[in-house]
Amino acid sequence: EAGVTQFPSHSVIEKGQTVTLRCDPISGHDNLYWYRRVMGKEIKFLLHFVKESKQDESGMPNNRFLAERTGGTYSTLKVQPAELEDSGVYFCASSPLLETHNEQFFGPGTRLTVL
Amino acid sequence: SQQGEEDPQALSIQEGENATMNCSYKTSINNLQWYRQNSGRGLVHLILIRSNEREKHSGRLRVTLDTSKKSSSLLITASRAADTASYFCATAGGTSYGKLTFGQGTILTVHP
Repeated sequence: EAGVTQFPSHSVIEKGQTVTLRCDPISGHDNLYWYRRVMGKEIKFLLHFVKESKQDESGMPNNRFLAERTGGTYSTLKVQPAELEDSGVYFCASSPLLETHNEQFFGPGTRLTVL
Repeated sequence: SQQGEEDPQALSIQEGENATMNCSYKTSINNLQWYRQNSGRGLVHLILIRSNEREKHSGRLRVTLDTSKKSSSLLITASRAADTASYFCATAGGTSYGKLTFGQGTILTVHP
């Protein structure tokens, strides 16, 4: 079974540019989560999809961040325009629909550097 | 307020020794999970303990949960160099729906 995959693994952009991160969850997992770890701080929740619907987006820092999951499969997280403080590692995780409080399966993360 | 605070922030031991990491949290939980992250890789789920459980074992891992103190500990026995990684506790439940709240993590270094 393939795990959660994320693309790209690294991205270096300049302040003001746009970056789109992609996450492919484990096949059949309806729950999809985005997290990020900034500057060695704790990993923080960004948002949660159930299929194509946003269940919880309370962790999204501001309106420069836009997450989509059209069709309920893969998800994208767009940052536009990127700021220096957006640098960090963005993780995606997925889990089966009925196991809302069980383990989440994480991808390797995308390391974003904004110069 | 910080949920899932961990100590120590860094731990350095010799192979064969035991490693103990602690985690505290502030709100009510449904369960508490421990994850490991090797350098440059994703988080790997290690073990989950539910709020009505007090202790759980999995191989060389032992997790305890004290809901009265809102704390948990992860014990790795007979450590190996391959256990070198960052370890995170994460809480789930209460009013949340599936999202995990992580601590800052403990960096464990096991010297061969």
